[in-house]
Amino acid sequence: DVKVTQSSRYLVKRTGEKVFLECVQDMDHENMFWYRQDPGLGLRLIYFSYDVKMKEKGDIPEGYSVSREKKERFSLILESASTNQTSMYLCASSSGQGLYEQYFGPGTRLTVT
Amino acid sequence: LAKTTQPISMDSYEGQEVNITCSHNNIATNDYITWYQQFPSQGPRFIIQGYKTKVTNEVASLFIPADRKSSTLSLPRVSLSDTAVYYCLVGDLMKTSYDKVIFGPGTSLSVIP
Repeated sequence: DVKVTQSSRYLVKRTGEKVFLECVQDMDHENMFWYRQDPGLGLRLIYFSYDVKMKEKGDIPEGYSVSREKKERFSLILESASTNQTSMYLCASSSGQGLYEQYFGPGTRLTVT
Repeated sequence: LAKTTQPISMDSYEGQEVNITCSHNNIATNDYITWYQQFPSQGPRFIIQGYKTKVTNEVASLFIPADRKSSTLSLPRVSLSDTAVYYCLVGDLMKTSYDKVIFGPGTSLSVIP
């Protein structure tokens, strides 16, 4: 079974803090993704990476950055957390591009106070 | 990605067959149709993918008419555990551009005992 793990299920941070969300996959997938999910809006793509050290902006990259130093690990960074970044963050990985099947982690519910 | 439209919510009794229709009027020639399922507090899970006619697996069936402007996800004899949000996505399997990946709000299916 493909496993995508995320470092925390729940996280509470203060406004202005730097926040790191970690994601690890164990299937040697080239592609990894970060989404945020908000009620009524579905999932929105923040960033994706198709190879180590490569990254591409998704629909809503503002306020976020990413890092992929190793193939299995993809990190989402909030440089200075704000209350409007309170959300569920989902990581996914895939062996293909486009609409190839994506495998999702359990999500991290981040609250910024 | 082609824009999709699906009902926001549906209710069904246990044991019934549930059909969720997705409209995608501007689907392109190379586009595939993909459905994901998301349980509360979990990441989405790939259910089924197809290009035309009918696809069936152990979880669901996907019906795609000849004009491909819509598709129907069919869940046979639903149980309470099928209560989830179902997302319809349409797009090219080989495209390298991800910046229009849109899950949308999905269809929230509630199965009633």
